[in-house]
Amino acid sequence: DGGITQSPKYLFRKEGQNVTLSCEQNLNHDAMYWYRQDPGQGLRLIYYSQIVNDFQKGDIAEGYSVSREKKESFPLTVTSAQKNPTAFYLCASRWGGGSEQFFGPGTRLTVL
Amino acid sequence: SQQGEEDPQALSIQEGENATMNCSYKTSINNLQWYRQNSGRGLVHLILIRSNEREKHSGRLRVTLDTSKKSSSLLITASRAADTASYFCATDAYNTDKLIFGTGTRLQVFP
Repeated sequence: DGGITQSPKYLFRKEGQNVTLSCEQNLNHDAMYWYRQDPGQGLRLIYYSQIVNDFQKGDIAEGYSVSREKKESFPLTVTSAQKNPTAFYLCASRWGGGSEQFFGPGTRLTVL
Repeated sequence: SQQGEEDPQALSIQEGENATMNCSYKTSINNLQWYRQNSGRGLVHLILIRSNEREKHSGRLRVTLDTSKKSSSLLITASRAADTASYFCATDAYNTDKLIFGTGTRLQVFP
């Protein structure tokens, strides 16, 4: 099955800890994106990557880091510098020649 | 920065009725897309309308685009309880690879 997967579905973190959210796609898409969604709100772009070994900051990159070592993988690290990390995180991918984004099921991160 | 603003924020209707949601945006676009999100899930792409199109249909969905007013509407006809979800518009700002999402409309369809 082709698709985009995120793990884990739920993640709990203590304050001061870094955590890494996984995003994998087997759609052979060039571009990948990370969004943050807070309750009752739209999506805000954290980071995006158009090709391997290259990525750009989105609107709310502070306190987050990413890597793109492989085409199919785009992990997001939420660092201790992110002051309010509790949120729903969504990963998406896009074929280079298209506009539609394909989303994963999301990871809900809760800071205890 | 969020470019799209949608109204209403929430909409409750009975099965069989039509649901209309509106989206406004701020800058020039190549296209506008509508996505659906079931509670606690990822988004699913519904339909894309290009800046040179005025209306597009897909099944029970009808989308209009007015670039002079920088606005779009999504009409769901003959709604079903399974249409209950949040609906988001998204615009790709001209010459970027990013989508800017609206704040969404929460649709509740009662059986």
